Amino acid sequence: EAQVTQNPRYLITVTGKKLTVTCSQNMNHEYMSWYRQDPGLGLRQIYYSMNVEVTDKGDVPEGYKVSRKEKRNFPLILESPSPNQTSLYFCASSLSQGGNTEAFFGQGTRLTVV
Amino acid sequence: GIQVEQSPPDLILQEGANSTLRCNFSDSVNNLQWFHQNPWGQLINLFYIPSGTKQNGRLSATTVATERYSLLYISSSQTTDSGVYFCAVLSSGTYKYIFGTGTRLKVLA
Repeated sequence: EAQVTQNPRYLITVTGKKLTVTCSQNMNHEYMSWYRQDPGLGLRQIYYSMNVEVTDKGDVPEGYKVSRKEKRNFPLILESPSPNQTSLYFCASSLSQGGNTEAFFGQGTRLTVV
Repeated sequence: GIQVEQSPPDLILQEGANSTLRCNFSDSVNNLQWFHQNPWGQLINLFYIPSGTKQNGRLSATTVATERYSLLYISSSQTTDSGVYFCAVLSSGTYKYIFGTGTRLKVLA
């Protein structure tokens, strides 16, 4: 089954404790991205990757890191989480980024930083 | 940047009723998708529809790209249709989806 898989689905952590949210897709997609969803602010892009070893900042990259060492994986790293990073996070992938390509989203990761 | 507006913001239906959700966008787009966010927060792909009309069971969607709007039709609504419906567009020359503000649907048994 074609899918984007995020782990963990739920996470409660403490301020300053490094964490990684994993994202994996099995569709051989080139393009992957991360979004966060907050009440009243909608979904905002954090980082995106056009292909292996090619990443760039989205609208809200502060406090996050990403890497794209393999085509299928695009982990989101919070080196020193803070309470304002409490949010619902989504990973997305598509065959390419441009016209005529459908995006698929992971199940979401609900992160709480206390 | 491109603006995406959805209407109505909230909708309450009795089970079995039909509804139409609207998405207006302010500039030309390459892609347009409709999603359903269920009560558990998952974003479910409904339609990939940059233009034309598609149907999937009780749901159908139409996008008129030249007039910059898309419509999502839900017929014979069920309680499991409850949640938030988003349209999202990919504007030309960008690398991100712009999501609308959503329509929150509640279907009553």
